[in-house]
Amino acid sequence: AQSVAQPEDQVNVAEGNPLTVKCTYSVSGNPYLFWYVQYPNRGLQFLLKYITGDNLVKGSYGFEAEFNKSQTSFHLKKPSALVSDSALYFCAVREVGFQKLVFGTGTRLLVSP
Amino acid sequence: DAGVIQSPRHEVTEMGQEVTLRCKPISGHDSLFWYRQTMMRGLELLIYFNNNVPIDDSGMPEDRFSAKMPNASFSTLKIQPSEPRDSAVYFCASSLRQGASGYTFGSGTRLTVV
Repeated sequence: AQSVAQPEDQVNVAEGNPLTVKCTYSVSGNPYLFWYVQYPNRGLQFLLKYITGDNLVKGSYGFEAEFNKSQTSFHLKKPSALVSDSALYFCAVREVGFQKLVFGTGTRLLVSP
Repeated sequence: DAGVIQSPRHEVTEMGQEVTLRCKPISGHDSLFWYRQTMMRGLELLIYFNNNVPIDDSGMPEDRFSAKMPNASFSTLKIQPSEPRDSAVYFCASSLRQGASGYTFGSGTRLTVV
């Protein structure tokens, strides 16, 4: 069965500092990996995905994520955080050949001015 | 494209009443998903459809919940009778079945059962 772990309920970072939101996954086969962001009272918005190829994936709003197969991780990163990045971030995995997208529990990112 | 459209945005109903949530997926998408989001359980997949056919409803909490997709452009999630513990935000999402696409989510329906 597929599963995703986001070990941090909340990440606090000062504006201008780099940020990392952690994600590890478990699948039987090969994964497709996704990050979504949710702003208050809104639906989930797609940020980026890993399918195959380059382990460093670049996405919207300056975010990037690094796929590490040996550590089964897909951490979300941004070199310089903005206050407007404050939101709820979800990591998700979909096993190749299967349709279900399984989400982690979410990590709240709080960027202080 | 207007994206995935859900209605209503907010619904307040009394316990025991029937509630119907609606979703219009993105045109051309052949898969549709219903999720429920709560503080306690996070995001739960309730049911999903491929080409209007229900594929997996194992996430539907109990018989009070039912979902239909009469055509490619419309789906409903019905709760009858509703209970206070059904209070949550319900999301609809659509995607292309083939390939490595993610899901496109609607803005959700916030349901409050009093």
